[in-house]
Amino acid sequence: EAGVAQSPRYKIIEKRQSVAFWCNPISGHATLYWYQQILGQGPKLLIQFQNNGVVDDSQLPKDRFSAERLKGVDSTLKIQPAKLEDSAVYLCASSLGLAGEQFFGPGTRLTVL
Amino acid sequence: GDSVTQMEGPVTLSEEAFLTINCTYTATGYPSLFWYVQYPGEGLQLLLKATKADDKGSNKGFEATYRKETTSFHLEKGSVQVSDSAVYFCAASGGSNYKLTFGKGTLLTVNP
Repeated sequence: EAGVAQSPRYKIIEKRQSVAFWCNPISGHATLYWYQQILGQGPKLLIQFQNNGVVDDSQLPKDRFSAERLKGVDSTLKIQPAKLEDSAVYLCASSLGLAGEQFFGPGTRLTVL
Repeated sequence: GDSVTQMEGPVTLSEEAFLTINCTYTATGYPSLFWYVQYPGEGLQLLLKATKADDKGSNKGFEATYRKETTSFHLEKGSVQVSDSAVYFCAASGGSNYKLTFGKGTLLTVNP
């Protein structure tokens, strides 16, 4: 069974530029999560989808971050414009349902210069 | 909201040594508790979990017991191997959306 796929794996941009990350969850998983992991810290949930609806986006900086999961399958996370403090690994995870085990992708490492 | 505090590293041990990584949580209600592991260059993987008080999760020689009275979920292994070198994260899941809250992670290095 294929795992959670993410791309790109690495991205370097300058501040004020835009960037987008893509995630394809495990087939059949209804719940999808985006986490931000800053160096030396644990992952922090940014947004959680159940199918194509948002369950929790309380920690998403909505002035610059956006995410969508239009068809309830893959998802895109966008940052516009990026700040230096956005440098982090962005993890995508999926689970069968809200209470299910979360499976994580390899992450996208973003460096903002 | 929920919070998780775990022992800060790094932790360096010799092969076959005993390992303990402390983890405590604060939460409303009774969260499920998890240990995740991140090997070098790989994604986060679930190591073990416990869903109610006094439950013991175990996997690959690692164990952790859900202690409600001390709000703790300490990770232990009797004899570590070089291949156990990784970052270990304690996490708690609660609320209507089962949101995962992670600790900061503990880097473990095991030397031969």
